[in-house]
Amino acid sequence: EVHLVESGGGLVKPGGSLRLSCAASGFTFSTYSMNWVRQAPGKGLEWVSSISSSSRNIYYADSLKGRSTISRDNAKNSLYLQMNSLRAEDTAVYYCAKQGGSGSYGFDYWGQGTLVTVSS
Amino acid sequence: SFELTQPPSVSVSPGQTATITCSADTWGDKYACWYQQKPGQSPVQIIYQDTKRPSGIPERFSGSNSGNTATLTISGTQAMDEADYYCQAWDSRNRFVFGTGTKVTVL
Repeated sequence: EVHLVESGGGLVKPGGSLRLSCAASGFTFSTYSMNWVRQAPGKGLEWVSSISSSSRNIYYADSLKGRSTISRDNAKNSLYLQMNSLRAEDTAVYYCAKQGGSGSYGFDYWGQGTLVTVSS
Repeated sequence: SFELTQPPSVSVSPGQTATITCSADTWGDKYACWYQQKPGQSPVQIIYQDTKRPSGIPERFSGSNSGNTATLTISGTQAMDEADYYCQAWDSRNRFVFGTGTKVTVL
């Protein structure tokens, strides 16, 4: 059974940094692209970033480009998101999501999410 | 930029059919996926590649994509289908885009 467990969220001051982690199990992590998706309180889903299986291809949404870095460690079955220069508008639940194949397969499994709150 | 627009809300009576649209200026050759999200829960994929249902998703959920609109249809809607629904596409810049979301209420 596929499991994705996010961690690393919490309260951070504006301008601060945070590193989110996602521990994956139940599938061959090293063969699938992975993604981060966020959802601000009471708002819709927003794609944040994706990374291919080998880390060769990395993409970011414009909202976090230049302030965040996605990475993965296939030996540890883990996905990461380093976020810097955080703003109040980055407050959201951050989900780790497994891609089902190419982009057209979308996200077939999601974690439970980790809450990031940016506030002074 | 590529944007997907959904109606904010759809109301349906139990047993009836709910139709949720997802409009873009031009879908082109992009595929649509659909997700269901219930309050306090993570999203669940219910449709991928326009029409395909993942394992375990009931047959009452179906998808189509024609012209500039992708459509999610819930046939024989049940009370448990009350949730937020989001469409999604993978655009030409290898980025994912979500629709604005639709709240389905089963009256």
